[in-house]
Amino acid sequence: NAGVTQTPKFQVLKTGQSMTLQCAQDMNHNSMYWYRQDPGMGLRLIYYSASEGTTDKGEVPNGYNVSRLNKREFSLRLESAAPSQTSVYFCASKPAAANTGELFFGEGSRLTVL
Amino acid sequence: GENVEQHPSTLSVQEGDSAVIKCTYSDSASNYFPWYKQELGKRPQLIIDIRSNVGEKKDQRIAVTLNKTAKHFSLHITETQPEDSAVYFCAATMTTWDWGKLQFGAGTQVVVTP
Repeated sequence: NAGVTQTPKFQVLKTGQSMTLQCAQDMNHNSMYWYRQDPGMGLRLIYYSASEGTTDKGEVPNGYNVSRLNKREFSLRLESAAPSQTSVYFCASKPAAANTGELFFGEGSRLTVL
Repeated sequence: GENVEQHPSTLSVQEGDSAVIKCTYSDSASNYFPWYKQELGKRPQLIIDIRSNVGEKKDQRIAVTLNKTAKHFSLHITETQPEDSAVYFCAATMTTWDWGKLQFGAGTQVVVTP
């Protein structure tokens, strides 16, 4: 039981390049989330997917797109990377019930945009 | 939207002493308040949470208190140990129907010195 798995763990991009961060969970959770973490700013929600087939914007969605490929997988795409997107990205999941709270995070993906 | 402020940003305590971290939130409709611990280079992990219909919750050496009137909540760690050294994040729900959509505080770096 791996929990939430993210790939890649590290990535360096040049401005304007594109890439996709992959996330998969094996806990049969319905809800999945992408957060970014920047020094002094905590974690901020980028996009989320309440269930398979649905996605919605979070607090900081600009410059990103997501795909909920199936119940297990939720990917985050940067179409044209910018230095402001240098960050650590965390994928998380939780069961569907509205009043269950614990988020299960992946190990994070550290992205540097030059 | 929800805004969460967290203080202090850094906290140094002697082993065995208590540590207190305070957070305030802006949206009176928020109904779920988790605390996450993040060790250096690791993923955030839930350590305790509290719902808006509860004033206090304890789990061994950690406790959380909630004051809905004042819109603030606090984390208390007693008998601190070196393994308590980490960054602690408070959070509040951005929407009452999805407790995975969280507004995080900026974090508190706790250092426990032997």
